[in-house]
Amino acid sequence: DTEVTQTPKHLVMGMTNKKSLKCEQHMGHRAMYWYKQKAKKPPELMFVYSYEKLSINESVPSRFSPECPNSSLLNLHLHALQPEDSALYLCASSRSLGTSGYEQYFGPGTRLTVT
Amino acid sequence: GQQVMQIPQYQHVQEGEDFTTYCNSSTTLSNIQWYKQRPGGHPVFLIQLVKSGEVKKQKRLTFQFGEAKKNSSLHITATQTTDVGTYFCAGHKAAGNKLTFGGGTRVLVKP
Repeated sequence: DTEVTQTPKHLVMGMTNKKSLKCEQHMGHRAMYWYKQKAKKPPELMFVYSYEKLSINESVPSRFSPECPNSSLLNLHLHALQPEDSALYLCASSRSLGTSGYEQYFGPGTRLTVT
Repeated sequence: GQQVMQIPQYQHVQEGEDFTTYCNSSTTLSNIQWYKQRPGGHPVFLIQLVKSGEVKKQKRLTFQFGEAKKNSSLHITATQTTDVGTYFCAGHKAAGNKLTFGGGTRVLVKP
């Protein structure tokens, strides 16, 4: 199974709402990532987890809160978002971290609209 | 910080023609990866290059890593409508865990 799943596919939320994005993989990968992608732009790294510990936070605002409950699951908790946070949120996983560079498997993404 | 640039941003290709997209990094890379994202889809891994001067082929796609490990290219021959999408290069800086994506080349194929 080389699939990364993400739920929900689409999410519309108000600026005062709290919601969560979920990501799951069963490939035994020990590195998991959250990316944000705006239209016609490359994926922009937000967070990296390695062995369930936060390894990289790319100075993301605190209204985004990641969580890695176990090696297969990755959540992104959203609170008090702004309209400019509307984007495609991609989850990815790879065998592990390192400059040897393991390929990343991306999920289909959650298209988020903040109203 | 590390920057990865891709040119061209857009490539309109007649079906059956060849084209090349280029990727340049401001710093030496330990490896370079290429991804393809179809319209409405998510990035899908194509290949990774690690060695200086490395060349790899996948059917009609030829990938090259520069001698200085700061640039790469993707050449597609006999373009087909299935080649439509955005091609991203992405590199790991030496001694870094972060994969930095180039801006992408958006390919449109005219039948």
